Amino acid sequence: DAGITQSPRHKVTETGTPVTLRCHQTENHRYMYWYRQDPGHGLRLIHYSYGVKDTDKGEVSDGYSVSRSKTEDFLLTLESATSSQTSVYFCATKFQESSYNEQFFGPGTRLTVL
Amino acid sequence: DQQVKQNSPSLSVQEGRISILNCDYTNSMFDYFLWYKKYPAEGPTFLISISSIKDKNEDGRFTVFLNKSAKHLSLHIVPSQPGDSAVYFCAARVLLTGANSKLTFGKGITLSVRP
Repeated sequence: DAGITQSPRHKVTETGTPVTLRCHQTENHRYMYWYRQDPGHGLRLIHYSYGVKDTDKGEVSDGYSVSRSKTEDFLLTLESATSSQTSVYFCATKFQESSYNEQFFGPGTRLTVL
Repeated sequence: DQQVKQNSPSLSVQEGRISILNCDYTNSMFDYFLWYKKYPAEGPTFLISISSIKDKNEDGRFTVFLNKSAKHLSLHIVPSQPGDSAVYFCAARVLLTGANSKLTFGKGITLSVRP
């Protein structure tokens, strides 16, 4: 257990409103990731961070932005939420690049955009 | 373009028997493969992994086999237990520029172990 928390755990919002999801870790892991899980798609990478202020896009980054101002926090922002962004969002962390490569996942945030 | 494919959405097995979960991939640049297990309303948890230079890795009841020429891997669970009922994701690692990497996940397989 890598000590990963996500907040909020559940959120219902309306189309066009901004939404920020927070991931907090206590393990001092270098890498952090945001995924979304949708039926029929598995887990898809939205954005990831390889250090403070260092981020890059994943495969489904359109409509999302991220920020990492300190090691322990990774924020995911939906600038103007759309119904297609209704999903379960998972944060994950990894200590470093190594031959092991295990990512640790948070409990998830269920977001509904009406 | 699905680079990691789990073509069977579900599998039902009797308790005590073997569960075999399959995964196929298309990208030859994948160098590491992982299996994750996910219970409802929880995040995925790491189960077992295998390097592309190996063909088998075993951890207790869980064994992963890799057939690189066929671009196929499988997870064997023996004996299966009711607590193994969960969604299982296959994932593959690819190196990116700057020495970072990313995982690509399959869609998942729902395993049900009948008592």
